[in-house]
Amino acid sequence: GENVEQHPSTLSVQEGDSAVIKCTYSDSASNYFPWYKQELGKGPQLIIDIRSNVGEKKDQRIAVTLNKTAKHFSLHITETQPEDSAVYFCAASALDMTTDSWGKLQFGAGTQVVVTP
Amino acid sequence: GAGVSQSPRYKVAKRGQDVALRCDPISGHVSLFWYQQALGQGPEFLTYFQNEAQLDKSGLPSDRFFAERPEGSVSTLKIQRTQQEDSAVYLCASSSLVFYEQFFGPGTRLTVL
Repeated sequence: GENVEQHPSTLSVQEGDSAVIKCTYSDSASNYFPWYKQELGKGPQLIIDIRSNVGEKKDQRIAVTLNKTAKHFSLHITETQPEDSAVYFCAASALDMTTDSWGKLQFGAGTQVVVTP
Repeated sequence: GAGVSQSPRYKVAKRGQDVALRCDPISGHVSLFWYQQALGQGPEFLTYFQNEAQLDKSGLPSDRFFAERPEGSVSTLKIQRTQQEDSAVYLCASSSLVFYEQFFGPGTRLTVL
């Protein structure tokens, strides 16, 4: 089955600096890679995602890059703000060919991001 | 419309008790997923429904765990004879068939004493 590894486990940055979180996956059939932000006591919130036919996607201060050959993808947050402090999870999923639907997400272990003013 | 809702938000059970956790998906979402999140870990897949059909239950940790979605909307995750290792946050997510994004509810925090 799929295995997703995420690094680093904790990341401290000064407000205004950039943050980068990296993930690797093992299953070459994976073709959908979302990133979630989870605040204390809340469920994961989708912040950006990328499909395997795209190498990079950007949404304001957030960008994701994907290297299918190397099986790794990264989240980039620029101009970090204190409200970016949270736990971030990467995940991977493959199209379930038997049901023709998107299957389960395999999550990384998470990165605790702390943005200090 | 409203997002995914879950109830109760918190549940304390004595070891050996049965519990039932409810998930109300986003209206019209065909797919529904259950995940278990241990403290400090990423969510782990439990089971998946497409309408009322349970298509994948490979993540259920034991036969004490049972999930249903009889009318293809609301889903219930039931845990029988709870054990301390069942303590976790149980997350529900839903998605449409057309789009692949999974939207999560706030979770139910289960504590087994």
